Amino acid sequence: GENVEQHPSTLSVQEGDSAVIKCTYSDSASNYFPWYKQELGKGPQLIIDIRSNVGEKKDQRIAVTLNKTAKHFSLHITETQPEDSAVYFCAVSNTGGFKTIFGAGTRLFVKA
Amino acid sequence: DTEVTQTPKHLVMGMTNKKSLKCEQHMGHRAMYWYKQKAKKPPELMFVYSYEKLSINESVPSRFSPECPNSSLLNLHLHALQPEDSALYLCASSQGEAFADTQYFGPGTRLTVL
Repeated sequence: GENVEQHPSTLSVQEGDSAVIKCTYSDSASNYFPWYKQELGKGPQLIIDIRSNVGEKKDQRIAVTLNKTAKHFSLHITETQPEDSAVYFCAVSNTGGFKTIFGAGTRLFVKA
Repeated sequence: DTEVTQTPKHLVMGMTNKKSLKCEQHMGHRAMYWYKQKAKKPPELMFVYSYEKLSINESVPSRFSPECPNSSLLNLHLHALQPEDSALYLCASSQGEAFADTQYFGPGTRLTVL
């Protein structure tokens, strides 16, 4: 079955710096790669996603890159702000598959 | 409206109690999900309903019983739970039965089993 690894497990950055979180997956049939942000006491919220026919997608300070050959994708947050502090999960799924597989999560701390 | 609502927000129950968790969405989504999330862990899929029919049961113990009364509502009936069932229970919905659809999560119900 699909296996998703996410690194790092904890990331601490200074406000204004960039943060990068990386995920690798094993199933070459996977074709949908969302990123979720989970704040304390809340459910995961989708922040950006990418499909397998696209290499990069950007939404203001957030971007995701996908390398299908190497089976890895990354979340990039630029100009980090304290409100970016949260747990971030990558996820992988495919059309006709049976479930979304989540990475273990990255706890991001942005220091003011 | 892109919101999934869940009630109650918090629930404390004894091992002999029967309780239910409720989830509602009005986005016209045809797939709904129950996840269990332990502290500092990712969500774990429990059940999936597609077009109001149970599509996936991830070998969840029978003390958890899902129900989908209509396309907007999803319930999770709880009976004879164990302390290790204490967790955040998340409901999600997506547009169709294809698992490459974006899932929208509710805020969760924090369950404590005494």
